[in-house]
Amino acid sequence: DVKVTQSSRYLVKRTGEKVFLECVQDMDHENMFWYRQDPGLGLRLIYFSYDVKMKEKGDIPEGYSVSREKKERFSLILESASTNQTSMYLCASSSQGQGDGYTFGSGTRLTVV
Amino acid sequence: SQQGEEDPQALSIQEGENATMNCSYKTSINNLQWYRQNSGRGLVHLILIRSNEREKHSGRLRVTLDTSKKSSSLLITASRAADTASYFCATDTNFGNEKLTFGTGTRLTIIP
Repeated sequence: DVKVTQSSRYLVKRTGEKVFLECVQDMDHENMFWYRQDPGLGLRLIYFSYDVKMKEKGDIPEGYSVSREKKERFSLILESASTNQTSMYLCASSSQGQGDGYTFGSGTRLTVV
Repeated sequence: SQQGEEDPQALSIQEGENATMNCSYKTSINNLQWYRQNSGRGLVHLILIRSNEREKHSGRLRVTLDTSKKSSSLLITASRAADTASYFCATDTNFGNEKLTFGTGTRLTIIP
């Protein structure tokens, strides 16, 4: 069964900490995405990548960075966590040119205290 | 910015009834997709309709697309308790590599 795996289901971090959220997919997908989901705001795109070592800013990249050193892994980094980054983080992947839609991970609920 | 907006925000119906959710969007699209999210989990892809299609079926799901009105609807027939979830439309406005913009979702509750 193909899947997207996010390393943590729940995470609690302190303000100012550097936080790494990991996402791995086993479908050989070229495209990978990070969204955050907040009540009333839906899903908002943080960063995305169409290829290894490639990254592009989404709609809300401030306070975040990403790394894609291998095709299957796309990491989201909170350089200095703040309480307004408390959210559900969702990773997704898709196949280039197929237009088949995204496969999502189960999400990481991050709380910054 | 939100490309897709779902309507209604919340919907409660009796089991066995049909559920209809609507989505409006603002700019030209390559395709429109619908996703389901069970509470606190990731989203699951349900169905994709391309801009040159008007209607598509998948099991109990029926999706329509009206590009002149920039709107889509998702119909779930003969609803079941397991259909209780949030439903999101997502538009792909990239005529190349896929990049989706999601709406804020419709919360559907099926009453047994």
